Amino acid sequence: GQQVMQIPQYQHVQEGEDFTTYCNSSTTLSNIQWYKQRPGGHPVFLIQLVKSGEVKKQKRLTFQFGEAKKNSSLHITATQTTDVGTYFCAGRGGQNFVFGPGTRLSVLP
Amino acid sequence: EAGVTQSPTHLIKTRGQQATLRCSPISGHTSVYWYQQALGLGLQFLLWYDEGEERNRGNFPPRFSGRQFPNYSSELNVNALELEDSALYLCASHPGHGKSNQPQHFGDGTRLSIL
Repeated sequence: GQQVMQIPQYQHVQEGEDFTTYCNSSTTLSNIQWYKQRPGGHPVFLIQLVKSGEVKKQKRLTFQFGEAKKNSSLHITATQTTDVGTYFCAGRGGQNFVFGPGTRLSVLP
Repeated sequence: EAGVTQSPTHLIKTRGQQATLRCSPISGHTSVYWYQQALGLGLQFLLWYDEGEERNRGNFPPRFSGRQFPNYSSELNVNALELEDSALYLCASHPGHGKSNQPQHFGDGTRLSIL
């Protein structure tokens, strides 16, 4: 079945440093979604990418969808303590959403 | 617009008991997804209901089951509870089949603890 992997599993950064998490699917995706889960909270939708090679920005966050629609990345510029949480990608290949295991980001002030 | 509601917030059971978790999706949404999130881990897909039917299930034993009612609310039932069933159970609401480009909206979850 479809598998979605994310690296790294954990990332500790100093406030102000950049952060990137990578998402890779074993199969081609029709779209990919990114979610953020704050400690003690539930996943909250951030963005969706649909087109091959698509790049979207939300303030300090940049999302990319690979040309082959099998990988994606989330880059945060100049992290802040409010960025702390776990970032999940979720790929849709068929009828189901498959979530990656997430990247847990810690930001040291 | 009311969000996704899950009940109860917390549930404490002992081994061998049965648990029922409930989810009400966003008004107008016909799909409900259930996920298990063990402490510090990712989301493991359990079940997907749409328009009252089970569309897909994850790699979980048959003692995990559920149903969706005509009003699109859903129940997750876990029989013969085991210690490793302790986790946060998240319900996600979605507009439904044919609207795959829409995101899922999660509830706050039910924290199930098995003693």
